[in-house]
Amino acid sequence: SQTIHQWPATLVQPVGSPLSLECTVEGTSNPNLYWYRQAAGRGLQLLFYSVGIGQISSEVPQNLSASRPQDRQFILSSKKLLLSDSGFYLCAWRTSGNNNEQFFGPGTRLTVL
Amino acid sequence: GENVEQHPSTLSVQEGDSAVIKCTYSDSASNYFPWYKQELGKRPQLIIDIRSNVGEKKDQRIAVTLNKTAKHFSLHITETQPEDSAVYFCAASKGYSTLTFGKGTMLLVSP
Repeated sequence: SQTIHQWPATLVQPVGSPLSLECTVEGTSNPNLYWYRQAAGRGLQLLFYSVGIGQISSEVPQNLSASRPQDRQFILSSKKLLLSDSGFYLCAWRTSGNNNEQFFGPGTRLTVL
Repeated sequence: GENVEQHPSTLSVQEGDSAVIKCTYSDSASNYFPWYKQELGKRPQLIIDIRSNVGEKKDQRIAVTLNKTAKHFSLHITETQPEDSAVYFCAASKGYSTLTFGKGTMLLVSP
């Protein structure tokens, strides 16, 4: 069966510090991968998605970036965090293909102070 | 692009009552409509989905209906229980596109 992992689970970082969040998927090949951010009490904002190694699409302009160095690995990064980057970061995967189910990882709760 | 509107934003019911959450979408080509349940501090979990070739799907106390002509779909929860309390998100997509989510409905079930 498929499993999605995210780490770290929680993170407290000072403003201006770098960020690296990692997501890995097991039990599937060539998945579509997604990064979402959820501010407290708010909806799901799609940040990036990837349909293959090295292929990244950005949904919103921001100080974040994403990379997919391996088929089942998706990384979210920032060189300098802002206070507004605080939130719940969710990675998700979906089998490549037409209208397949999408599943979320456990998330990383980031607090920028 | 696709736009998904979800109502109500908050819904309070008594245990045992039914709850209905409604979503509308803008792109008539959308053909996949999942619903997610997110408990406090947890990840969204897929609870039910429907594709455009059917009008209704049921799984125990949960059902989803789809009206393609009107471009709206609804989540129905019967015999609500306190553990149904959560935020529910609807979404829509077509083909290989990304999911477009509604803004969520907070369901509160009082014992």
